Amino acid sequence: DGGITQSPKYLFRKEGQNVTLSCEQNLNHDAMYWYRQDPGQGLRLIYYSQIVNDFQKGDIAEGYSVSREKKESFPLTVTSAQKNPTAFYLCASSIKRRLDTGELFFGEGSRLTVL
Amino acid sequence: SQQGEEDPQALSIQEGENATMNCSYKTSINNLQWYRQNSGRGLVHLILIRSNEREKHSGRLRVTLDTSKKSSSLLITASRAADTASYFCATPNNNDMRFGAGTRLTVKP
Repeated sequence: DGGITQSPKYLFRKEGQNVTLSCEQNLNHDAMYWYRQDPGQGLRLIYYSQIVNDFQKGDIAEGYSVSREKKESFPLTVTSAQKNPTAFYLCASSIKRRLDTGELFFGEGSRLTVL
Repeated sequence: SQQGEEDPQALSIQEGENATMNCSYKTSINNLQWYRQNSGRGLVHLILIRSNEREKHSGRLRVTLDTSKKSSSLLITASRAADTASYFCATPNNNDMRFGAGTRLTVKP
C-alpha cells in the first residue's frame, strides 16, 4: 500500500547529540514537509521541499536540517543547537507543489525525548 | 504555522449524540480542511471545503464555511466511541498548511 513511513517511532537522545528522523514515501508526491507538534498545540512547519535537491525553511527551522536527495526521502536531523527538541515530529507529503489546491498525507510520527 | 483557532478546546459527549466543533481563521483562504488525529498517531485528512462552497457532507460529517465571518464548523452526527480523537482545521497558504490547536473530542460509550 502507498503511504508515508516514519522511523523510528520513539527516539531518546542525550543532550548534545544529533539525531536523524527518517521519512520515506511511495506516493510519488512532489512535495514533502516536516512539522513539529507540542502537547495540546497545533502543528508548526520546520522545513518543506517541493522538488528534489531543494528545500525551504519553515517557521521554526533553527536547530534543524534536512536533505532531499531522492524524491522518496526527506530525512530530518535534529541538531544539538535545537534548545528544546522534545516533541512529536510529523512528516507529510502532497501531490502538488502548492498546497492551495491539495491536501496533506501524514506519516505516523516520531516521538523524540531528550534525556 | 498557526492560523485557525478551534473552539471548544475539549468536548465530551455520549455515544449517539452530535458533536460540533468550530474554527476561526484570520486571512482570506482558497479552501479550508479538517483533519483528525488519534492519540499518538499521524493526522488523517477528513474533508476539504472550497471558499465558494457553503456546506459539504461526507458520511456522518457535515462542514460549513462562512467566509464573511472567517469561520467554519465540523458536525459529526450520531457519534461513536471510535470518533474519539483530536480534530484540527487547516488553511493552506501557498507552501504551508496552517493548523489550529485542535478540539479534543471524547465520545463515551
